[in-house]
Amino acid sequence: DSGVTQTPKHLITATGQRVTLRCSPRSGDLSVYWYQQSLDQGLQFLIQYYNGEERAKGNILERFSAQQFPDLHSELNLSSLELGDSALYFCASSATGGYYGYTFGSGTRLTVV
Amino acid sequence: GESVGLHLPTLSVQEGDNSIINCAYSNSASDYFIWYKQESGKGPQFIIDIRSNMDKRQGQRVTVLLNKTVKHLSLQIAATQPGDSAVYFCAENMGRNTPLVFGKGTRLSVIA
Repeated sequence: DSGVTQTPKHLITATGQRVTLRCSPRSGDLSVYWYQQSLDQGLQFLIQYYNGEERAKGNILERFSAQQFPDLHSELNLSSLELGDSALYFCASSATGGYYGYTFGSGTRLTVV
Repeated sequence: GESVGLHLPTLSVQEGDNSIINCAYSNSASDYFIWYKQESGKGPQFIIDIRSNMDKRQGQRVTVLLNKTVKHLSLQIAATQPGDSAVYFCAENMGRNTPLVFGKGTRLSVIA
């Protein structure tokens, strides 16, 4: 157990729907990162939050949004889902800016049908 | 967090042999590098790191080599074991407060 908790582990939904992925960071970590892992793209950075504020943004689609709450847990919202959004979504956390690496959760596997 | 199904280059090695996994990184300004291991059903896990002012770092059964001239990293695993079967990613950090950039990964398959 890495200490980073992601729920749900698996999610199957239809095109056009909206889902929310949840992440609880490791105790004491202030930064949360979201990555997408698809078949051909490896790990793609989506977005980072630090202590409730957006810190960095990657190739995140406008249909996707995220936030970090006062208790430091984070949610990634995916809307108007398309087949191509099917992927593994990982959350990671770090104590500060993540320079020395992150601790990853086990991921949420999203399947859009 | 399965990595099965990823379209990745695969390295197959016999149990007990040494493995070498290579990675080309993208940014000459990157100053810190990490190797991650992703086993089936899990997220990536930190293995070993190296700073840009070093060219070699050793851990337990693993060694990372850095060649800044050609922007190349390698991970050497000694006496490869079945438990080493996983997908391995290199990651580069281009500076503080910037997110890690991951390479595409290599699948290591250990033949017993």
